[in-house]
Amino acid sequence: DSGVTQTPKHLITATGQRVTLRCSPRSGDLSVYWYQQSLDQGLQFLIQYYNGEERAKGNILERFSAQQFPDLHSELNLSSLELGDSALYFCASSVAYQGRLSEQYFGPGTRLTVT
Amino acid sequence: LAKTTQPISMDSYEGQEVNITCSHNNIATNDYITWYQQFPSQGPRFIIQGYKTKVTNEVASLFIPADRKSSTLSLPRVSLSDTAVYYCLVGDSSNDYKLSFGAGTTVTVRA
Repeated sequence: DSGVTQTPKHLITATGQRVTLRCSPRSGDLSVYWYQQSLDQGLQFLIQYYNGEERAKGNILERFSAQQFPDLHSELNLSSLELGDSALYFCASSVAYQGRLSEQYFGPGTRLTVT
Repeated sequence: LAKTTQPISMDSYEGQEVNITCSHNNIATNDYITWYQQFPSQGPRFIIQGYKTKVTNEVASLFIPADRKSSTLSLPRVSLSDTAVYYCLVGDSSNDYKLSFGAGTTVTVRA
């Protein structure tokens, strides 16, 4: 158990719909990362938040958005869903270090199926 | 960010030592080398991190030569449960959000 929780575990929805994925980081971790993993594209970085502020964006579509709340939990909002958005969505958290790479602790993921 | 290259797959048998080498010719002075393990349908799990020479923990060893252009993850006496994808990442805290997990190395351990 990494200490990172994600809900829901599974989500099945139709094209065009909107869903919200939730992540609670490990206690004390200020950074939250979101990743998408589909069968044909590996693990893709979407976005990172640090202490409530957006720090970096990766390959995140405009239909997707995220935020990190004062209690440090984060939500990833996916709208106008398409079949190709079906994937595993992982949240990770880390302590910010100066210099060396942070160890990212990944949650169990949310499996999204768009039909 | 330094580009990393690692084998696509490796096969091994229970009880053997598995060594996975990652090439990172353009590694920067401040970069660290980190390895993650991922089982199917689970998030990656941090295994080990190093900067130079050798690092060992309870699950693996990481060997980094003096020029740091490559690194080798060593898994001693593997078991069937070590079958997973292993990712090599190179970077520092200023660019950790740019890290790409790439395709990784799929290690298959057979009985």
